[in-house]
Amino acid sequence: DIQMTQSPSSLSASVGDRVTITCQASQDISNYLNWYQQKPGKAPKLLIYDASNLETGVPSRFSGSGSGTDFTFTISSLQPEDIATYYCQQYDNLPGATFGGGTKVEIK
Amino acid sequence: QVQLVQSGAEVKKPGSSVKVSCKASGGTFSSYAISWVRQAPGQGLEWMGGIIPIFGTANYAQKFQGRVTITADESTSTAYMELSSLRSEDTAVYYCARDRRYYDSSGSVVDAFDIWGQGTMVTVSS
Repeated sequence: DIQMTQSPSSLSASVGDRVTITCQASQDISNYLNWYQQKPGKAPKLLIYDASNLETGVPSRFSGSGSGTDFTFTISSLQPEDIATYYCQQYDNLPGATFGGGTKVEIK
Repeated sequence: QVQLVQSGAEVKKPGSSVKVSCKASGGTFSSYAISWVRQAPGQGLEWMGGIIPIFGTANYAQKFQGRVTITADESTSTAYMELSSLRSEDTAVYYCARDRRYYDSSGSVVDAFDIWGQGTMVTVSS
């Protein structure tokens, strides 16, 4: 099974800060990686697909990069409405999927 | 725009079964896969399995093999997830999600859960 390791598990940043989350796969998954945002009590929302493609309607301050085993998710300028938990998800072994453990983002 | 609407919260006894529904409205149902993902309280997301309604065959995560059954009814645009032999550790929010899958110009697969149901809380308690 492919394991996805996200870090950090939580972070606190100020409004306007650049925020970076990393996700490491236990084996090469090419660019088969997505990023989701989940706010408390809500379903996850797709932000980035195929490692670096911004989902329609998602603000451009969100971005993703990487391939192989190492991936990065960035919020270029943290906004109050970005408070949420973020998950990476691999789909190298379709039809299966594996999620990272999540990163909780809070405002300092 | 497709919406996925799930059935309501359930409280079940250990050893029993639960069946959660996920009805699609506003778009094509059969040609997309529907996956089920669960989230235990305070925990992360866990893929359980999925089905492509037009083909009718389901795939399951190894952890749930033998305990979960995913089906779909094209006539009502509804997918179902049934989990049996419930135990307290199955207490979770269960989500259905549309699995958007296509092949790009280079022939590589692109896949993502792009539309989610609102979630169904299943509580297992004696």
